[in-house]
Amino acid sequence: GQQVMQIPQYQHVQEGEDFTTYCNSSTTLSNIQWYKQRPGGHPVFLIQLVKSGEVKKQKRLTFQFGEAKKNSSLHITATQTTDVGTYFCAASAGANNLFFGTGTRLTVIP
Amino acid sequence: DADVTQTPRNRITKTGKRIMLECSQTKGHDRMYWYRQDPGLGLRLIYYSFDVKDINKGEISDGYSVSRQAQAKFSLSLESAIPNQTALYFCATSFAQGASTDTQYFGPGTRLTVL
Repeated sequence: GQQVMQIPQYQHVQEGEDFTTYCNSSTTLSNIQWYKQRPGGHPVFLIQLVKSGEVKKQKRLTFQFGEAKKNSSLHITATQTTDVGTYFCAASAGANNLFFGTGTRLTVIP
Repeated sequence: DADVTQTPRNRITKTGKRIMLECSQTKGHDRMYWYRQDPGLGLRLIYYSFDVKDINKGEISDGYSVSRQAQAKFSLSLESAIPNQTALYFCATSFAQGASTDTQYFGPGTRLTVL
């Protein structure tokens, strides 16, 4: 089956530092979605990227979709304690099923 | 979202027992899903249903069965629970969004422990 690799698995940052998580696939993706799961919570949709090379921003969060549509990244500028949680990418290669990455758990140290 | 509810929220059961997890939604979505989450493995799809008469296996359906009783209800059963089915289970819903892949709306999760 399709696999989506996500790195790193864990990231600890000081508040105010930047954070990036990466998602990679061996196959070309139709689109990619990003979700955030707060500790003890459930995944919540953040954004979907569809176009090759697409870049979208949500305040301090920047999402990119690679030119070959095989990778994606989420970058958070100047992290805050409210950013803690696990960030998942979820990819589709055509069928309407999502394959979730393993997630990156972000800890922000005040 | 509060529009997607799961019962029970926590359950401890013994090996060999039959258990049912239930999911209800008031979002009016046609599509419903069951995922399990294990530490370090992300979310894996167990079953999904695009309407009341449609049931499809996901990535890890062995040992599980589902029933779509109505548009708003989708239940997951473990006929004979085993310890490696200990996990956090999420129900999700979505609606068709044309060419894009559906956005998933997750319930609060059910934490299942099989002893």
